[in-house]
Formats: sequence, C-alpha cells, structure tokens
Amino acid sequence: GAGVSQSPSNKVTEKGKDVELRCDPISGHTALYWYRQRLGQGLEFLIYFQGNSAPDKSGLPSDRFSAERTGESVSTLTIQRTQQEDSAVYLCASSSDGYQETQYFGPGTRLLVL
Amino acid sequence: AQKVTQAQTEISVVEKEDVTLDCVYETRDTTYYLFWYKQPPSGELVFLIRRNSFDEQNEISGRYSWNFQKSTSSFNFTITASQVVDSAVYFCALSGTGGFKTIFGAGTRLFVKA
Repeated sequence: GAGVSQSPSNKVTEKGKDVELRCDPISGHTALYWYRQRLGQGLEFLIYFQGNSAPDKSGLPSDRFSAERTGESVSTLTIQRTQQEDSAVYLCASSSDGYQETQYFGPGTRLLVL
Repeated sequence: AQKVTQAQTEISVVEKEDVTLDCVYETRDTTYYLFWYKQPPSGELVFLIRRNSFDEQNEISGRYSWNFQKSTSSFNFTITASQVVDSAVYFCALSGTGGFKTIFGAGTRLFVKA
C-alpha cells in the first residue's frame, strides 16, 4: 500500500517568497502531523490535524506559517515571506487515529531559502 | 509538561558490539505511549516500536530489545551484535493524553564501524 507522500521533495526559494508544501497521508488515516527538522537537529512539532480540524497549532513558529487540510486527505503547509531560518526539512506524518497510534512519516520536503 | 531526554548525542561502536541507547521521559499522564524511530542517512523515519504505559514487559525483536521501566521513567533500546546498517539517528518519542502532540527527543546518532 502507499505510504505518506510529500511534494516537492526539494524546494529552493528566495527570501521573501511564499512556499507551499504538500502532504498526502496514508488513505484512511484521520490524524496528520507536520514537523520541522533543522540540519542535525531533532523533530520540532508544528501542527496536528484530526480530520480537517487542527486542535493543536501550538508549534507554528510565527503567523507566517499556516496549514490546511481537506477532509481526511491532503494537507498543505504554507510559509509566507520566507526567511533564511526557515531552511529545514519539513516532515509530514499520519496515523490511524490520535496521539496513541503510531505515526508513519513521509520522506520530507527539503526547503532552502536563499 | 512532557519531555524526552536522550542524553547520548553520538555513540560510536565497532561492528558486533552491543549498544544501548538511553531514553528518559517526563509526563504527568497516567496513560501515555512511547515510541522509537530510526532515521537512516536516507532521511526517512522508520517506526521501530510502540509501548503503552500499562505494559512494562520488555520486548525483543531480532537483534533489537527494549527495556521499559516506569520506576525510573526510562525506555532504553539495545542493539545486540551491531551491524554497519544500524548506523542512523535514533529518536525516542512520547505521546500522552495531556496534549495532542508527540514529543521527540533530540536523537542519538549511532555510528557502527566495520
């Protein structure tokens, strides 16, 4: 079966531009997570979706970051007016339910802001 | 507040040595879940194990074993007879009823030399 997919796999952008990162979760998974991983660092939680609602957005670092999810399907993470410190790998994960279930991760999107 | 500490930043061993990766957690929840993930050089996180707070039985899966001790809030991971392919970053993670997010430790980078 298909795993979690993310696109693009790599994105290079100029400072100040907006970027959209896409995540396709495993079919039937109601929970979806976004994380940020800076080079050589651990995973930083950004946002959690249950269905299309986001009960926990506490990890979004600033109002330049936003995310949406369509039903129990695709999610988009948008970063507006990108800054160099936004350069990182953005990881998406999905699980069959909430916090108690195992998260399955996508390959990530490597974002480089010049 | 929930916290996961992986005090070992990097470990280097020679092939066939046994190695233990430490994980200490903090939570006020009585029901919680602990996870280990492997992140090989390719970057994609691979799920290894999930354990709930009511199950303190140790688990063995091939060369991998896990020691869960609630009394010391630890969930340590041992690789027996390590192999070069075990070289990766290993993350310990915690999810609880107190919040929706999963908290990841900073990771332990394991180098296994031939």
